[in-house]
Amino acid sequence: AQTVTQSQPEMSVQEAETVTLSCTYDTSENNYYLFWYKQPPSRQMILVIRQEAYKQQNATENRFSVNFQKAAKSFSLKISDSQLGDTAMYFCASPSGGSNYKLTFGKGTLLTVNP
Amino acid sequence: DAGVTQSPTHLIKTRGQHVTLRCSPISGHKSVSWYQQVLGQGPQFIFQYYEKEERGRGNFPDRFSARQFPNYSSELNVNALLLGDSALYLCASSLVDQGTEAFFGQGTRLTVV
Repeated sequence: AQTVTQSQPEMSVQEAETVTLSCTYDTSENNYYLFWYKQPPSRQMILVIRQEAYKQQNATENRFSVNFQKAAKSFSLKISDSQLGDTAMYFCASPSGGSNYKLTFGKGTLLTVNP
Repeated sequence: DAGVTQSPTHLIKTRGQHVTLRCSPISGHKSVSWYQQVLGQGPQFIFQYYEKEERGRGNFPDRFSARQFPNYSSELNVNALLLGDSALYLCASSLVDQGTEAFFGQGTRLTVV
C-alpha cells in the first residue's frame, strides 16, 4: 500500500522565522508529481507547491520551497518569513494506484504561526 | 472564474438513510475526484471520474457510488449510512487525469446521527 508519512503532528513558529515540515512517501511510479496542500480553518484545500519527480531542481513558489530527495523518498516543505496567514494544516500528497490521479495524503501537520 | 463548487455545505442524516453530494468542477475540467476526510486525518481517495468514466476506486464499500454527467459535474451517493461515514467530503477537479494540479472545493460536512 502507498504510504505518506508526516512525522510532525504539530509545529509552531514565530512570525518572520523559517520552518520546515517533513514528509516521506512510498510510490512505485517512475514519473510522478508530489504536492503540498494547505487547509486553513475554512476547510478548502489549497495547493502550496508541487514537484515533478523527474526534475532534479527543487520547486520554489515565493516563500515556499521544497527539499526533494528522490532516492530517499523525502519531500520537505520550507516556509520562509512565516506569516500569520500561514497558520493551517499542511498535507503532503503523493500519487498511487498506477496513475497520478489518485493521491495518497499524509495525516497532516498543524502549523501555528505566533505573533 | 468560479472554482469547484460543492453542495450542500452541511448535512445531517440519520443512520440507514441515503445521501447525495454534488460537485461542479471548474469550467473546462474533465476530471473529478472524491475524497473523504475524517476529523484529524488526511483525505482518503474514494473515486475518480474522467470523461464520464470511472478511472479509479478507493478502498470503500459498495455503499459508496458516484457518477459524472455530460457537463462533467458529479454526484457521490452513499447508501445505508453509518455513524462512521461522518466526515468532510471533498471534491477535486483537474484539467486532465494525469495528476497535475487538483483544485478542491470547500467540501460537504456530513454528520450521521
